[in-house]
Amino acid sequence: DAGVIQSPRHEVTEMGQEVTLRCKPISGHNSLFWYRQTMMRGLELLIYFNNNVPIDDSGMPEDRFSAKMPNASFSTLKIQPSEPRDSAVYFCATGGVRTEAFFGQGTRLTVV
Amino acid sequence: AQSVTQLGSHVSVSEGALVLLRCNYSSSVPPYLFWYVQYPNQGLQLLLKYTSAATLVKGINGFEAEFKKSETSFHLTKPSAHMSDAAEYFCAASNSGGYQKVTFGTGTKLQVIP
Repeated sequence: DAGVIQSPRHEVTEMGQEVTLRCKPISGHNSLFWYRQTMMRGLELLIYFNNNVPIDDSGMPEDRFSAKMPNASFSTLKIQPSEPRDSAVYFCATGGVRTEAFFGQGTRLTVV
Repeated sequence: AQSVTQLGSHVSVSEGALVLLRCNYSSSVPPYLFWYVQYPNQGLQLLLKYTSAATLVKGINGFEAEFKKSETSFHLTKPSAHMSDAAEYFCAASNSGGYQKVTFGTGTKLQVIP
């Protein structure tokens, strides 16, 4: 298995633009997590899905952020409009029943 | 709700010295516990995990951790630090059943001094 695949690896965008981050989970994993990592706030859980259903989105910072999981093999995290304070590394992680979370390599987002 | 506390955001050790990174969890039900390592510009990689089997868990790269229910701790140790161990380490916990929401600690950056 290729592991959790995130794209793009790096994204630079201008303030106000829409940004879409993508994640392909490990086949067979039924849980998917989106995390944000910054120097100031560390690793924050934004949202997690179980069997494609959003279970807890209490970590989503505001309405500008949205996440979808239309099927078991794909998820997106969208920021619209983006702001400089959204600059961070965004990680997708997936897990199976009673397994650890496997992390992707992350997307480094820079909003200028 | 589960919470994980890592004592010390930065730890420095000399090469060859003992590494001890501390982690405490809060849960009335013993959770699944994990230690992850993150090297610069990379994702998190699992070092080891505890899933209610043996209380002393051995992981990759010579690391191990001991689950102590009485102390609600899961400290990470390595007898002899290598320069390559310099990284950030995260302790994490998840519920033992149902959904696998993982709660992470704030991380500890390990510096290894030559």
